[in-house]
Amino acid sequence: EVRLVESGGGLVQPGGSLRLSCAASGFTFSSNAMNWVRQAPGRGLEWVSAVSGSGGSTYYADSVKGRFTISRDDSSNTLFLQMNSLRADDTAVYYCAKDQWVGATGLGNYWGQGTLVTVSS
Amino acid sequence: DIQMTQSPSTLSASVGDRVTITCRASQSIGSWLAWYQQKPGKAPKLLIYQASSLESGVSSRFSGSGSGTEFTLTISSLQPDDFATYYCQRYHSSSPWTFGQGTKVEI
Repeated sequence: EVRLVESGGGLVQPGGSLRLSCAASGFTFSSNAMNWVRQAPGRGLEWVSAVSGSGGSTYYADSVKGRFTISRDDSSNTLFLQMNSLRADDTAVYYCAKDQWVGATGLGNYWGQGTLVTVSS
Repeated sequence: DIQMTQSPSTLSASVGDRVTITCRASQSIGSWLAWYQQKPGKAPKLLIYQASSLESGVSSRFSGSGSGTEFTLTISSLQPDDFATYYCQRYHSSSPWTFGQGTKVEI
């Protein structure tokens, strides 16, 4: 059974940093690209970032480019999102999602339960 | 960037109704279109990919069609468990892989 468990969310001040993790199990982690998708309170879904199965290619939404860094550790089956220079409009539930293919496509066929990030003073 | 626009934003329906949601892309995306269902407080669930392919385990009440710039999600006979918000998403070719704004199906 595929399982994705996010952690690392919390309250952070504007300008601060946070590192999210997503622990994966139930599939060959290195064989799939992975995505981060977020949802601000009461709003729709926003694709944030993706990393290919090899880890060699990364992709970012314009809204986070230069501030967020996606990475993966295939030895521990864990996906990360390093978030720097956080702003109030980064407040959202952050989901990790398994891509359907090894190359990143943005298509999430399995999702975690999400972790809430709140940026506020 | 390619924009995805769903209509309607809210849809009122009854159990047993046939429901159709439309998603339009600002330029052609071939068949690289997915549909998700999301219930309050829960993660999205993939229903349809490649415009019309049903994800494993998803009820055959759900079907998708379209290509190019216009797509539809149809629920053939609405069930109580289907009241949720539905999102389309373009995927595959060059990021960003944008979602539509969502369609809430309510009673």
